Amino acid sequence: EVQLVQSGAEVKKPGESLKISCKGSGYSFTSYWIGWVRQMPGKGLEWMGIIYPGDSDTRYSPSFQGQVTISADKSISTAYLQWSSLKASDTAMYYCASVGATTRGWFDPWGQGTLVTVSS
Amino acid sequence: QSVLTQPPSVSGAPGQRVTISCTGSSSNIGAGYDVHWYQQLPGTAPKLLIYGNSNRPSGVPDRFSGSKSGTSASLAITGLQAEDEADYYCQSYDSSLSGSHVVFGGGTKLTVL
Repeated sequence: EVQLVQSGAEVKKPGESLKISCKGSGYSFTSYWIGWVRQMPGKGLEWMGIIYPGDSDTRYSPSFQGQVTISADKSISTAYLQWSSLKASDTAMYYCASVGATTRGWFDPWGQGTLVTVSS
Repeated sequence: QSVLTQPPSVSGAPGQRVTISCTGSSSNIGAGYDVHWYQQLPGTAPKLLIYGNSNRPSGVPDRFSGSKSGTSASLAITGLQAEDEADYYCQSYDSSLSGSHVVFGGGTKLTVL
């Protein structure tokens, strides 16, 4: 069974750094793109960026370029999303999802989500 | 302001048919990029409902169907059931002078009356 399992909920203070993870199993992790999606409280889905774990080719949404860093460690089939200095506006649920063999594919399956709360 | 436009809400009685539209432009849906649809039940992660404009993944009931024409796409749900009450999102790809990237619609909340 293809599965993506994300790290647990986080509570952080403004200015702190954070790295959340997304571990894939049941498929060839290095052969499919992995995307990250933000969902702010009560709002819709926003595409943040995408990474190809095979060679770490990464693309960012213009809205998130420079705000976050997407990376992957193919040796442990894990993708990451990180912030160097969190803001209260980063409070949201973050999902990872497998995108398939091209950047234009559909998102399936999805991880269960990681809730990030940033509050002083 | 989402690149793909969906109605904020739709509603229907059990057994009825509802449609959700997803309107794009010549740089995304109109450029030939596929449209995909997701269902998000309250408090859960989104789930793929339709891929490649009109294809259903295994396990998705045939009450759900998708279509695409020109710069728009639609999701139709027939025989509406209470369990269909959820948020629905369309997704495609956009390629313009500013770059190429995935785009989502703003989402549509379906209420089963």
